[in-house]
Amino acid sequence: QKEVEQDPGPLSVPEGAIVSLNCTYSNSAFQYFMWYRQYSRKGPELLMYTYSSGNKEDGRFTAQVDKSSKYISLFIRDSQPSDSATYLCAMSYRDDKIIFGKGTRLHILP
Amino acid sequence: DSGVTQTPKHLITATGQRVTLRCSPRSGDLSVYWYQQSLDQGLQFLIQYYNGEERAKGNILERFSAQQFPDLHSELNLSSLELGDSALYFCASSPFQGRGTEAFFGQGTRLTVV
Repeated sequence: QKEVEQDPGPLSVPEGAIVSLNCTYSNSAFQYFMWYRQYSRKGPELLMYTYSSGNKEDGRFTAQVDKSSKYISLFIRDSQPSDSATYLCAMSYRDDKIIFGKGTRLHILP
Repeated sequence: DSGVTQTPKHLITATGQRVTLRCSPRSGDLSVYWYQQSLDQGLQFLIQYYNGEERAKGNILERFSAQQFPDLHSELNLSSLELGDSALYFCASSPFQGRGTEAFFGQGTRLTVV
């Protein structure tokens, strides 16, 4: 079983819809949970960072961590074409070595 | 622009050769992280340096090595290259010794081994 599982997509949704992106993981020791956005031919960009369980909101983005289910989510409200990118979940149990999911390709249709 | 600079952007080389990838971290950042991104393996942590010293090691092959210089720039050396080494190589930097969770990524070097 891989440590971090993420559906590769692609996921296509109409502009303005709520997007839900998810990852599951197997290592219960993970404490740091992150979401990165990666545009084509660019490096990953940190979007959201959560320590332990709970929710975190930043503008149109909400990150949720459910440690009991080993499941994390990223919600994007009022999605825009500029949100089209690959979204990588990532997690670690120490804050240096990070394990990344393989990414979900998201397309927002105008 | 993250402030992390990687050169070259693209590199094409033959199997068996050796290449050096360069990374200039953001001004003031002491930590440099190297990652490899391939289609089948995703983004994988290779190695971290903090203020010139190796701090953490991930899935880095013995054919690969890195160093961080006194001016804090870092180089990743890849030798005896194989077709499977073709990938995007990213450098990230952070002001902190740990806190790889808050590192900023460069735009990467695309390595193609033919």
